[in-house]
Amino acid sequence: AQTIHQWPVAEIKAVGSPLSLGCTIKGKSSPNLYWYWQATGGTLQQLFYSITVGQVESVVQLNLSASRPKDDQFILSTEKLLLSHSGFYLCAWSLNNYAEQFFGPGTRLTVL
Amino acid sequence: GQQVQQSPASLVLQEGENAELQCNFSTSLNSMQWFYQRPGGSLVSLFYNPSGTKHSGRLTSTTVIKERRSSLHISSSQTTDSGTYLCALDNVGDNSKLIWGLGTSLVVNP
Repeated sequence: AQTIHQWPVAEIKAVGSPLSLGCTIKGKSSPNLYWYWQATGGTLQQLFYSITVGQVESVVQLNLSASRPKDDQFILSTEKLLLSHSGFYLCAWSLNNYAEQFFGPGTRLTVL
Repeated sequence: GQQVQQSPASLVLQEGENAELQCNFSTSLNSMQWFYQRPGGSLVSLFYNPSGTKHSGRLTSTTVIKERRSSLHISSSQTTDSGTYLCALDNVGDNSKLIWGLGTSLVVNP
């Protein structure tokens, strides 16, 4: 069975500080991977997606970047956090394009 | 305009009542995915339904492509069904990107 793990569960950070959020998928080879963001009370926005190791496509940047250093790992990061980065970050995977997406438990980020 | 229109925006039920949630879409559909978002924010996939009707316990999803709609039916609602229900359209023309509805906030009272 496939499992998707996100870390950390929650984070409180200062404006201007760096950020790194992680996502790992176990039990599935070469999945498509996705990062989503949801502001409090807002709708989900897809930020990035990746079809293969080392390849990442940006959908909405929000002064964030993403990388896929390994087949089963997806990293979201920034060097300088903004207040507007606060919200809920979700990682998801799918078998390929046009396939059901499965979501991780999410990371709640608060920027003060 | 919004390519996926979800209705109603909110719904309050008494336990035991049924609910019908709807998503209408104006773009080409590969499939409609329905999610339950827990109060803490995590998403649970309920259905991946390209067409026709699918059942899972008290939940039923129906997608009718010709009528550009997909519905989620909850029968005999329970207080634990409370939360937000989201539909997301898997668009034929835009691989890897889901088009999201705004959600239905459901409250089931005891």
